[in-house]
Amino acid sequence: AQSVTQLGSHVSVSEGALVLLRCNYSSSVPPYLFWYVQYPNQGLQLLLKYTSAATLVKGINGFEAEFKKSETSFHLTKPSAHMSDAAEYFCAVSQNYGGSQGNLIFGKGTKLSVKP
Amino acid sequence: DVKVTQSSRYLVKRTGEKVFLECVQDMDHENMFWYRQDPGLGLRLIYFSYDVKMKEKGDIPEGYSVSREKKERFSLILESASTNQTSMYLCASRLPGQGSFGRDQPQHFGDGTRLSIL
Repeated sequence: AQSVTQLGSHVSVSEGALVLLRCNYSSSVPPYLFWYVQYPNQGLQLLLKYTSAATLVKGINGFEAEFKKSETSFHLTKPSAHMSDAAEYFCAVSQNYGGSQGNLIFGKGTKLSVKP
Repeated sequence: DVKVTQSSRYLVKRTGEKVFLECVQDMDHENMFWYRQDPGLGLRLIYFSYDVKMKEKGDIPEGYSVSREKKERFSLILESASTNQTSMYLCASRLPGQGSFGRDQPQHFGDGTRLSIL
């Protein structure tokens, strides 16, 4: 079965420091992968998506993610954290089998805190 | 921009009540979804709909039903609300994609309804 694992339910960084949020997936075929961000009391907003066009994907707000097939990873990074990046981040993979094909399987999320 | 609107941001209901959560999208998307979000459990799919009048069970459909009479509107119904249905409910919509079952299409989310059942 497909799955998504986000390592670290909470990550804390200082303002200006590198942000690295980890995501590993399992999939028997080339995956479609997504990163979403959720600010407090809001819905999920798409940050970026991987659909096999390029392994390094740039998204909104200065975030990017690199698809590494050999490591089954799709980690999210940002060179310099801002206070406004404090939110919860979700990695998701598109289901590729059965009646729910195309539905998203989400990781459990990583809450990012940014210290001044 | 895609706009997915959920009718209520906060809702308080009583045990045993029939509860309706409404979701409307303005981008003519065929596919729509209902999730619930709970701390530590992430997002779990309740029901989804590929098109008008169509519905499919997700991972946790028990205690819920849905209605999709018009393309833009997808309603989630709690037949007899219970306290364990207190949660954040999120609606999403998506284009079906081209020959990939929509696997390459992102879902667009509403702001959620925080439902409390007393």
